[in-house]
Amino acid sequence: GENVEQHPSTLSVQEGDSAVIKCTYSDSASNYFPWYKQELGKRPQLIIDIRSNVGEKKDQRIAVTLNKTAKHFSLHITETQPEDSAVYFCAATSHGNEKLTFGTGTRLTIIP
Amino acid sequence: EAQVTQNPRYLITVTGKKLTVTCSQNMNHEYMSWYRQDPGLGLRQIYYSMNVEVTDKGDVPEGYKVSRKEKRNFPLILESPSPNQTSLYFCASSYGGSKNIQYFGAGTRLSVL
Repeated sequence: GENVEQHPSTLSVQEGDSAVIKCTYSDSASNYFPWYKQELGKRPQLIIDIRSNVGEKKDQRIAVTLNKTAKHFSLHITETQPEDSAVYFCAATSHGNEKLTFGTGTRLTIIP
Repeated sequence: EAQVTQNPRYLITVTGKKLTVTCSQNMNHEYMSWYRQDPGLGLRQIYYSMNVEVTDKGDVPEGYKVSRKEKRNFPLILESPSPNQTSLYFCASSYGGSKNIQYFGAGTRLSVL
């Protein structure tokens, strides 16, 4: 089955700096890669996703890149703000296979 | 309002006492799933269902049962809970296929003593 590894497990950055979280996956059939944000005490919510026919996707201050050859994808947050502090999860699945496999999460702390 | 509703939100029980956590969605989603969240282990899928009467094991199905008799409901059953099932549980639903955005419930924090 699919295995998703996520690094780092914790990340602290100064407000205004950029943050990068990286994930690798094992199943070459995986073709959908979402990122979820979980604020303290809240439920996970989708913030951005990318499909395997696209190399990069951007939405305001967040972007995701995908390298299918290397089987890794990354979340980039620019101009970080205190409200970006949360746990971020990457995930992978293959279209037609609804089993979604999550990474172990990254706790991002923005230092004011 | 589109939502996934889990009940109860908090539950303390004792080893061996059967319990059910309910999950209901009002978005007519085909796909529903249960996850458990443990520190350092992320979200691990317990069971998922792609449609009524269709369920499949996720990564950690041992000790759990599910059923999908109606499209909107997907209860999680612990026949004989044990302390290692103490965890935070999330139900999620989605349209599936190319629209596999998961909508999560608010979570159920379970403690098994």
